[in-house]
Amino acid sequence: GAVVSQHPSRVICKSGTSVKIECRSLDFQATTMFWYRQFPKQSLMLMATSNEGSKATYEQGVEKDKFLINHASLTLSTLTVTSAHPEDSSFYICSAGDRINYGYTFGSGTRLTVV
Amino acid sequence: QQQVKQSPQSLIVQKGGISIINCAYENTAFDYFPWYQQFPGKGPALLIAIRPDVSEKKEGRFTISFNKSAKQFSLHIMDSQPGDSATYFCAGNLGNTPLVFGKGTRLSVIA
Repeated sequence: GAVVSQHPSRVICKSGTSVKIECRSLDFQATTMFWYRQFPKQSLMLMATSNEGSKATYEQGVEKDKFLINHASLTLSTLTVTSAHPEDSSFYICSAGDRINYGYTFGSGTRLTVV
Repeated sequence: QQQVKQSPQSLIVQKGGISIINCAYENTAFDYFPWYQQFPGKGPALLIAIRPDVSEKKEGRFTISFNKSAKQFSLHIMDSQPGDSATYFCAGNLGNTPLVFGKGTRLSVIA
């Protein structure tokens, strides 16, 4: 089956610093990956669609310069939270796959805490 | 047009009972309806999925019932166990577009 690996699982950073989160498809190629944000006891909120070799498509209200997405290969997409602030603290989850073969598979998530 | 409405928000079921979670969608173009299970601090895991050309799909203790005319689908968990206690999300989409999720149902199975 499709496996999506996400790292790190937890990160604590100081306000003003940047944090990079990696999302890898381990046993399949993913031309498209999705990045979500999830607040406690809430549903997943789509942040952006990451397309291999091209610019990401951001959802309305998501700051492109704050959340930088790079999808440089068919197996890796990265989300960089730039100049992080406490309000960026959240659970970030990536997803990849396709409906026909594997369904959409999610990473294990990254708990970001900005202090 | 893109919403998926999920109910109930929370559910408590006795061990061995049947858990039922309902979802309604608005976009009739949707052609894929998965259910995900999420434990605290983890990413969602795909449980079971259905396409609108079938009315029911069963995998082990999990069954999806699909009513295309009513634009509704539901998840039934038979013989619910404490290990099933988690948050469940329904979703829908068309093609390779992002999934549209319901708001989730927190299931607690008590002994």
